Amino acid sequence: QVQLVESGGGVVQPGTSLRLSCAASGFTFSAYGMHWVRQAPGKGLEWVAVMSYDGSNKYYADSVRGRFTISRDISKNTLYLQMNSLRVEDTAMYYCAKEGFGVFYFDYWGQGTLVTVSS
Amino acid sequence: QSALTQPASVSGSPGQSITISCTGTSSDVGGYDYVSWYQQHPGKAPKLIIYDVNKWPSGVSNRFSGSKSGNTASLTISGLQAEDEADYYCCSYAGSNSVFGTGTKVTVL
Repeated sequence: QVQLVESGGGVVQPGTSLRLSCAASGFTFSAYGMHWVRQAPGKGLEWVAVMSYDGSNKYYADSVRGRFTISRDISKNTLYLQMNSLRVEDTAMYYCAKEGFGVFYFDYWGQGTLVTVSS
Repeated sequence: QSALTQPASVSGSPGQSITISCTGTSSDVGGYDYVSWYQQHPGKAPKLIIYDVNKWPSGVSNRFSGSKSGNTASLTISGLQAEDEADYYCCSYAGSNSVFGTGTKVTVL
């Protein structure tokens, strides 16, 4: 069955960097788009970034463009989110999500990893 | 990338039907038939319940149904049950990005 397991979250200071990982299993990782979605404590969901199934396209939310980079290692079936110049407002639970067969919907989600940016 | 607008809360009694609206613009909801809906229980990851406006993922109850008219999408929950109490989010493709709704808390009275 499909499993997505995020890791790499923690408490960091503003202006620093962090890299999140999402280990995928149970499906052909290279055949599906993969997304990052975040949720600030007590708030709603916010789409963050996507990498297309073939890795050729990467898109970002305006709030993170230029600071965050999505990437993947097909040999390890792992998705990454490199987060630089972190801000207090980046504090959130970060979920990785597998795209379905269609356009930009998320049929499987990980359990999330919590990132706290605080001085 | 403004969030889609949903009512903050909707409530209903067991067995009743409720509808949650999701209003966007012609650049997202109105421009594509790519609206999805997610159910999220406290402390849990979101779960896909509707995709492509009105399609059901495998294993999801047909008590959930979706529709769209113009810039507004809707989720209807029929035969409301206690386990339907949760937060619900719509999401729309917006041309190389996605935008979520503000979220709706459903309470079963």
